Amino acid sequence: LAKTTQPISMDSYEGQEVNITCSHNNIATNDYITWYQQFPSQGPRFIIQGYKTKVTNEVASLFIPADRKSSTLSLPRVSLSDTAVYYCLVGDLPTGTASKLTFGTGTRLQVTL
Amino acid sequence: ETGVTQSPTHLIKTRGQQVTLRCSSQSGHNTVSWYQQALGQGPQFIFQYYREEENGRGNFPPRFSGLQFPNYSSELNVNALELDDSALYLCASSLAPQGNEKLFFGSGTQLSVL
Repeated sequence: LAKTTQPISMDSYEGQEVNITCSHNNIATNDYITWYQQFPSQGPRFIIQGYKTKVTNEVASLFIPADRKSSTLSLPRVSLSDTAVYYCLVGDLPTGTASKLTFGTGTRLQVTL
Repeated sequence: ETGVTQSPTHLIKTRGQQVTLRCSSQSGHNTVSWYQQALGQGPQFIFQYYREEENGRGNFPPRFSGLQFPNYSSELNVNALELDDSALYLCASSLAPQGNEKLFFGSGTQLSVL
């Protein structure tokens, strides 16, 4: 499974756009890129997933360049409630094989007023 | 809310004891994965169950074992508890075992081993 590298922490003010970049140089052809958000004492929560180019949903956008060796999670106009740890994961395995998705240490986003 | 429930929410055990953690998966999901999350770290994959069979295992010793039942709920058993087993144990259910499937996590069981 491809390993990922993310910044350990980021700070932002409320109302700003936040971009978190993840490097995954060894991403395989079949690998998808998935981002999760985790609040203290809770399980991670799915945010967004993509394979290439750009994906947007109601909470975030995911930008993936053509070589797919990195991806950027974009959170528009963050609020205090977006303070959390964000994980970038890559991986896909053949049918019937466990999804041993590897969580790194994530990026700790702190949003302040 | 993900529809995945875990019990108990907190547990205190002493070294050498055994513990059983339980997970009820989201309706329609046949796959359950268990993760261990130490303080300040990302979740580490323990194993996965798919249709009542173990479908893959991470780098954890055999004293970590599990079960999945016909209703796709699951148990994680840990024998001979060690101090380093203190962690948040997370259960995640999904529609299928593939890596691109969305994982739905419960809120976890916080285990403290004294």
